[in-house]
Amino acid sequence: KAGVTQTPRYLIKTRGQQVTLSCSPISGHRSVSWYQQTPGQGLQFLFEYFSETQRNKGNFPGRFSGRQFSNSRSEMNVSTLELGDSALYLCASTLWASRAGANVLTFGAGSRLTVL
Amino acid sequence: SQKIEQNSEALNIQEGKTATLTCNYTNYSPAYLQWYRQDPGRGPVFLLLIRENEKEKRKERLKVTFDTTLKQSLFHITASQPADSATYLCALDPPPGNLIFGKGTKLSVKP
Repeated sequence: KAGVTQTPRYLIKTRGQQVTLSCSPISGHRSVSWYQQTPGQGLQFLFEYFSETQRNKGNFPGRFSGRQFSNSRSEMNVSTLELGDSALYLCASTLWASRAGANVLTFGAGSRLTVL
Repeated sequence: SQKIEQNSEALNIQEGKTATLTCNYTNYSPAYLQWYRQDPGRGPVFLLLIRENEKEKRKERLKVTFDTTLKQSLFHITASQPADSATYLCALDPPPGNLIFGKGTKLSVKP
């Protein structure tokens, strides 16, 4: 079956612009998590959605937001882009919402965002 | 807050040797710990999960240990091959859920 699909794979934006990234989870998976990956900070959790509801949120400013649709597809949005937002944004899906010991994630290939 | 460290940013070894990667954590004792592999331009891929009551777990040439007293996990690749070259990430799996990742160790296996 198809894996986690993220679009676009690469994009370049300028400071102050906004960006929307898309994620299609594995068919049947209802939980989608987003992570930001940078060389300095590694993988950092942004948020998790399950059944169209945000379940958990990481320590990121309000410029970072997301949503999930009824078909489990998810989007994340970053407004008023800053240079420091340049990163690889990874989406991951699981069958169920996060709970201890059951959070084996299947990641997409990521969206590489460059902010100039 | 929870802190997780992978001691080496990079590890270079010769083909055929055993690679040993270290993951240390503080402030919290997770019930589960996971290891992922990430290749350039790709997302991480799940390799192994170990529970706190499992001191050791094996999968083919991979072995993971979990010492909750030392707050440490070791990840071993035996008979390493150039194809094993990648970045390896450890992740804590604390309740209520959402994994906390280390920054990774970049392994290079030279022929």
